[in-house]
Amino acid sequence: EAGVTQFPSHSVIEKGQTVTLRCDPISGHDNLYWYRRVMGKEIKFLLHFVKESKQDESGMPNNRFLAERTGGTYSTLKVQPAELEDSGVYFCASSTTGNGYTFGSGTRLTVV
Amino acid sequence: AQSVTQPDIHITVSEGASLELRCNYSYGATPYLFWYVQSPGQGLQLLLKYFSGDTLVQGIKGFEAEFKRSQSSFNLRKPSVHWSDAAEYFCAVGNYNTDKLIFGTGTRLQVFP
Repeated sequence: EAGVTQFPSHSVIEKGQTVTLRCDPISGHDNLYWYRRVMGKEIKFLLHFVKESKQDESGMPNNRFLAERTGGTYSTLKVQPAELEDSGVYFCASSTTGNGYTFGSGTRLTVV
Repeated sequence: AQSVTQPDIHITVSEGASLELRCNYSYGATPYLFWYVQSPGQGLQLLLKYFSGDTLVQGIKGFEAEFKRSQSSFNLRKPSVHWSDAAEYFCAVGNYNTDKLIFGTGTRLQVFP
């Protein structure tokens, strides 16, 4: 089966601009997660979708971050406006209930 | 507070040597424990996981980990390291295998020939 796919793999934007990250989970996986790793620190949970509903968004850092999951399929994570501290690697993962996660290769975001 | 500690930021070993990566956790409920590996340009790959039962868990690529409840530890081991094992390793804890995970800061492994 195809894995979790993330676009783009790298993005460099200026402070104040908008960036949209996309995640395509494994087909049939109801659970979709976003995580972020800021340079040198731990990987931190951002939010969890079950199908198209947000199950847990307790890790979203502030209202500049907006996540959506259209029709319970792919998900987007928009950062608007981007700040320097948003730089890091954004991981997406998906799973079916009762199984472990499959992670994507991540999007490296650099805000300059 | 729930947390995972990986005390070694960077480890260097010679190819063929044994390896142990340390992981300690602080978690209020029964922990589900995971080790992930990230090779350059790749995503996070699950090496092994512990939910219950035998405290010595076998994973892929010849890795194993031992859960020690009394020490709140879940150390990763490999008897003989290969150059291809050079990567970053992450320990993580959760309370259900589809719930959010709490990760450690990672240990970067370098392997010398």
